[in-house]
This record gives sequence, C-alpha cells and structure tokens, in this order.
Amino acid sequence: GAVVSQHPSRVICKSGTSVKIECRSLDFQATTMFWYRQFPKKSLMLMATSNEGSKATYEQGVEKDKFLINHASLTLSTLTVTSAHPEDSSFYICSALHGGPIGNEQFFGPGTRLTVL
Amino acid sequence: EDKVVQSPLSLVVHEGDTVTLNCSYEVTNFRSLLWYKQEKKAPTFLFMLTSSGIEKKSGRLSSILDKKELFSILNITATQTGDSAIYLCAVPSGTYKYIFGTGTRLKVLA
Repeated sequence: GAVVSQHPSRVICKSGTSVKIECRSLDFQATTMFWYRQFPKKSLMLMATSNEGSKATYEQGVEKDKFLINHASLTLSTLTVTSAHPEDSSFYICSALHGGPIGNEQFFGPGTRLTVL
Repeated sequence: EDKVVQSPLSLVVHEGDTVTLNCSYEVTNFRSLLWYKQEKKAPTFLFMLTSSGIEKKSGRLSSILDKKELFSILNITATQTGDSAIYLCAVPSGTYKYIFGTGTRLKVLA
C-alpha cells in the first residue's frame, strides 16, 4: 500500500515552454502532498506544500507564478513549471502524506527529471 | 529556524567496512526522525525513530536516536557495493512538512 506515482518520469523541453508534472496517490487519498526539488548530488529542497481544495503553501524563495501547483482532487497534485529555463532543469519529487503506524508519513513518488534546453 | 545537518557529506569505503553516518537536528516540537536511502530515484524509507536509546535494526543497518543530544546515527556493517547511495535524514517540522538534511553520499568500492 501507499504507492505514489509521478508522470512523466523524464521530460525534455525547449526554453520558454511550460511543463506539467503529475503526482498521484494510487491506493490512498492524500489531502496533503509535497513538491521537492533536487539538484545533482544535493539533498531534497522542499518547494511547496500542496493542499487539496486550497492554495499551495510555498517555501521562502520559491516563485509562486513560476511553479504553479494545483491539488484538484484527493489523489492528484500537479506542478507546472511555467516558461521553463535551463536553470529549472532538475529532479522534481513529490510525496503524499498518509497515516502510518506512528502518525502521518510521507510516501515519495519516483521523481521526474526535467531538462530544459 | 528548524534545521538538520548530516555528516560526513561524502564517504568512500571498501566492501566489508562498517560505516557510521551522523544526523544532528534542531527542531521545535520534535516528533520523530526518519532515515532514507536514495539511489537513482526517489528516497526509500529505512527507519523512523521516536524514542531515545532504542535501536532499530534491519539486516546490516541499524539506527539509534539521542533526544538529549539531538542527534541520530545510522550504522551499516559489512558494507556492500549495493549500499552505495545518498543517505538522507529528515525531521518533521511544523504540521507535516519534512526538513531534510544535506545527505551523506556513500560509495562502497568492491
């Protein structure tokens, strides 16, 4: 149980285009999902908390208009990188919050590797 | 500000060696500390620690938490090349978000 998927797993796009990444909880409902960004050989950096039915909460320094988050249902959150630039190239990982034996835990998706040319 | 620091940042060992990875934290209203292993994709869960002094063990991996000194260690004995990965430590902060440490990149040579 507690499986999270992401789509696509890899995307290459031209500079200036927008890219949408989907994060789905496959066997549970998640009112809260998280979006992380990871640079090569670095740790995960939390970008935003996605809340079903309400606006996302962005971390300091993350541009809301650049990284649009929509959590339209209890099993789906999307991250849209708008007007992508080469510096947006990164590994994006989502996680979904789900109750575990000791409180809530985050279950991670497999990640999406974005390359902007 | 809540923070998590891991050391060392990277480590190269030979198969059969034992390694100890460190994670120190400062967080308001501590609830738990989690260890993850990350290879090429998303992190995979290893341990969740909530109580001091109780060792959690899974095969060659073990971990323990010291809530007084605010740190945790992850031990790997008889390392294998398959243990090569980034090991991440995370602490829940605020409601449910996790603060991740810098990670320790472990490389095990054959």
